[in-house]
Amino acid sequence: DAKTTQPTSMDCAEGRAANLPCNHSTISGNEYVYWYRQIHSQGPQYIIHGLKNNETNEMASLIITEDRKSSTLILPHATLRDTAVYYCIVRVEGYSTLTFGKGTMLLVSP
Amino acid sequence: DAGVIQSPRHEVTEMGQEVTLRCKPISGHDYLFWYRQTMMRGLELLIYFNNNVPIDDSGMPEDRFSAKMPNASFSTLKIQPSEPRDSAVYFCASSNYPGAGYNEQFFGPGTRLTVL
Repeated sequence: DAKTTQPTSMDCAEGRAANLPCNHSTISGNEYVYWYRQIHSQGPQYIIHGLKNNETNEMASLIITEDRKSSTLILPHATLRDTAVYYCIVRVEGYSTLTFGKGTMLLVSP
Repeated sequence: DAGVIQSPRHEVTEMGQEVTLRCKPISGHDYLFWYRQTMMRGLELLIYFNNNVPIDDSGMPEDRFSAKMPNASFSTLKIQPSEPRDSAVYFCASSNYPGAGYNEQFFGPGTRLTVL
C-alpha cells in the first residue's frame, strides 16, 4: 500500500470548514483513498472513500487532486462532535484489511 | 441492527491470568477483524477471519494470543497467560466483502484491558 502523510494535529473553529490534508504521492492506479475517524474512547468510523473523482456524502467531501498524489477531507461546518482523530488510508481495491497510521487529531473549538 | 457487540467492556486482571474477549459481528458480514490499540503502537490489526476461517494472523504478537470463530455470529480472542504489556483497548470489527472500492469496517465499542 502507498504510504500516507498527515499533519499530527489541526484546529478548527466551530461552524467553519475543516480541511484535512493527506499526502499519498506513491499511490498506484488501483488504490483507493479511505477516510475514517475515531472519536475518543470509540472505535473508528468510516467517513468516505474515492478513487479519482471528488466524492460527497452526508458526513463530508473528499477532494482528490488530478494526479492523485494528495487528497483533502472537508467537513463543511465543523461541530464540537467532530473532534476526533482522522485517518487517511490508501488500499488496493478488493483487499479487506486496512492499515491505520497515526492520523490527524482535529480539535474543534467553540 | 445493534452493531458489533463486544464483551466485556472493561476487564481488569492480574498477570498470569487467562483473559477471554468476545465479539458478535453484524449479521451477514463475511469478515471479522481483531485490533489492538495502544498509545505507543496505535491501532494494529491482530487477525482477521473470512467466513469463520482465519486468513491472516501475522499481527498476533505471540503464542499467548489465540483467536477463534466457531460460527458466523461469535468470535473470541484469548490471552493466556496475560502480561502487563497486553494492557490496551481491543476492538472487533466486521465488514462485507470489499467491492467496487467500498471497504467499510464497522467497529465495536472495544474492550479496555488492564493487566496488573
